[in-house]
Amino acid sequence: GAGVSQTPSNKVTEKGKYVELRCDPISGHTALYWYRQSLGQGPEFLIYFQGTGAADDSGLPNDRFFAVRPEGSVSTLKIQRTERGDSAVYLCASSFSVSGANVLTFGAGSRLTVL
Amino acid sequence: GIQVEQSPPDLILQEGANSTLRCNFSDSVNNLQWFHQNPWGQLINLFYIPSGTKQNGRLSATTVATERYSLLYISSSQTTDSGVYFCAVEALRGNKLVFGAGTILRVKS
Repeated sequence: GAGVSQTPSNKVTEKGKYVELRCDPISGHTALYWYRQSLGQGPEFLIYFQGTGAADDSGLPNDRFFAVRPEGSVSTLKIQRTERGDSAVYLCASSFSVSGANVLTFGAGSRLTVL
Repeated sequence: GIQVEQSPPDLILQEGANSTLRCNFSDSVNNLQWFHQNPWGQLINLFYIPSGTKQNGRLSATTVATERYSLLYISSSQTTDSGVYFCAVEALRGNKLVFGAGTILRVKS
């Protein structure tokens, strides 16, 4: 597509529930990133995919968070047993390479609210 | 890991004024991007500028990689320039962008 698409744009859930957030990257971009942004802060890195594999998942806060990208395109971020502290905007980005550096383009984000 | 500091944290301008935002980083980088986050939360890529100077309309940016800082210049500011400006860098041996805390810009008419 023309840009990075994220769904849902808003998700309200109850504490303890399971949530999936989807990211559809720009066509042809091989790298995909997930970030989390809390109110008043800059985005914080969660996980990075190069193709189908997670190249760096060092930002995932705990084992309740998991992400997949089975065919090297669409990615799903999965959060189990949600907690109120998980409330944030979850941002996805895809990138192309310029001289070995990854230039990121972000989607509009999925706002998660855990009640 | 690499540290990113942005200044000032907050800035209020009268429409038509010019401003300079600064980004300092703690290590050598192979990527530096400036983003504008609009009031709806969308992060818009303004510049990819690991070194040198670029201009795009009323905006320009300069990165002095050897001194580990970057500057974003906004000239003749408009109310639509309001929002949060983020600097993000990728270290030479890194694989991800690390964001600063941002500069909140308010342009008043």
